[in-house]
Order: sequence, then structure tokens, then C-alpha cells
Amino acid sequence: AQKITQTQPGMFVQEKEAVTLDCTYDTSDPSYGLFWYKQPSSGEMIFLIYQGSYDQQNATEGRYSLNFQKARKSANLVISASQLGDSAMYFCAMREGILTGGGNKLTFGTGTQLKVEL
Amino acid sequence: GAGVSQSPSNKVTEKGKDVELRCDPISGHTALYWYRQSLGQGLEFLIYFQGNSAPDKSGLPSDRFSAERTGGSVSTLTIQRTQQEDSAVYLCASSGSAGGTGELFFGEGSRLTVL
Repeated sequence: AQKITQTQPGMFVQEKEAVTLDCTYDTSDPSYGLFWYKQPSSGEMIFLIYQGSYDQQNATEGRYSLNFQKARKSANLVISASQLGDSAMYFCAMREGILTGGGNKLTFGTGTQLKVEL
Repeated sequence: GAGVSQSPSNKVTEKGKDVELRCDPISGHTALYWYRQSLGQGLEFLIYFQGNSAPDKSGLPSDRFSAERTGGSVSTLTIQRTQQEDSAVYLCASSGSAGGTGELFFGEGSRLTVL
């Protein structure tokens, strides 16, 4: 089974609108972390936001927020007030074993290509 | 430099040749990762180094792939007898902590093309 599933290969949003990028995950580990990265056409990977499985609050970083629904095993990224510069590929990733010291690698989803239009 | 540095940025080679890709992590970062990204795809984990511990090689696709990290800093990924399916961008990342909540900082990648 896929550990990280991103079901939207491509998304379009109008400038200044909000957009939600979906991510579901699969783990039996009680302690894990969820990450979102942005990859513009230049190819660099840019860290956006992190959510720990034991965090009480949903993570927010500027225009980025994470809609974390633990029971549904979903960690959707919400981008508010989209800008043209937000056009990029977005990857959801998970690290398991956060609190047991066994966590190391991040497992990535296949990504969602976001296009912001005027 | 302040970020993760990778070289070469682009490498074109002929099938059957060996290639070496280099990664210089952020100074002081103890964890180093190699990922592979094929065209339009997600990131595939290859190998992970943490301090002096034995590396996690569970993602290496075949015994043609190997990596080492010297002195806990610079890492080299070696692909022997390259095949066309090895064509991809090879991304190196480092992290200041062993797992946990630390995010990975990525280099700009080495684009490998095998003819």
C-alpha cells in the first residue's frame, strides 16, 4: 500500500483564491510527522510546513495551513490568497517513528502540479 | 556556502559507464539523504547516513548503486555500469537532527542522462 497518496495530479486556481491540495497517508506508527514541500520549475525543494501526529493545533505558516484530520489520516495543504509564484509541484511527505527515535527518511507522495491563473 | 551543494549539476554519460555524484551538506548537519526523482515523478528514497551509524541502504535499487560519506560530511553516490533507466535527477538533502521533526534541506540536484 502507498504510504502517501496525492490524488490530484493537477490543480488550477485563480489568483487570490484559496486552494486545497489533498494528501492521505497510511501508517500504524503512533508517532509520525507530515511535511509539505514545494518544487518550482527550477527544481529546488522548498520546505513549507510541518505537522506532528501529537500536535494539538493544526500547523500554520503564513499563507500555508495544514488541515490535519488524524482519524481520516489526511493532511491537506491549504494555500490562501494564491499568487502566481505559487505555481509549482507540491509534495506531501511523512516520517514515521518520530518519538521512538526510529524515524529517518521521508516518504514522498507523487505530487500535485498547481497552476495559478490570472 | 550556506546550502546543500551538489555536483555536477548536469551529467551526460554513455550506457555502461560509471558516474559519481557529489553532495556537500550544510555544515554541522549530521543526517544526509539521497533521493532520486524521475521525470514528472515523486521522490524515491535511496540511502540515508546518520553520524557514524551504519547507513540505511534500503532504497538502493540494485548493487550497481553505492554511496559513501567521508568524515561525516561530503557524500558520493556512485552508479556503476549505468543504464538508461538510471536517467533522473539525484537529489541530496541534509538535516540537523536524526529524524524527529527536522525538515530536510535539499540541494538543487544532479541531472543524470544516460544515452
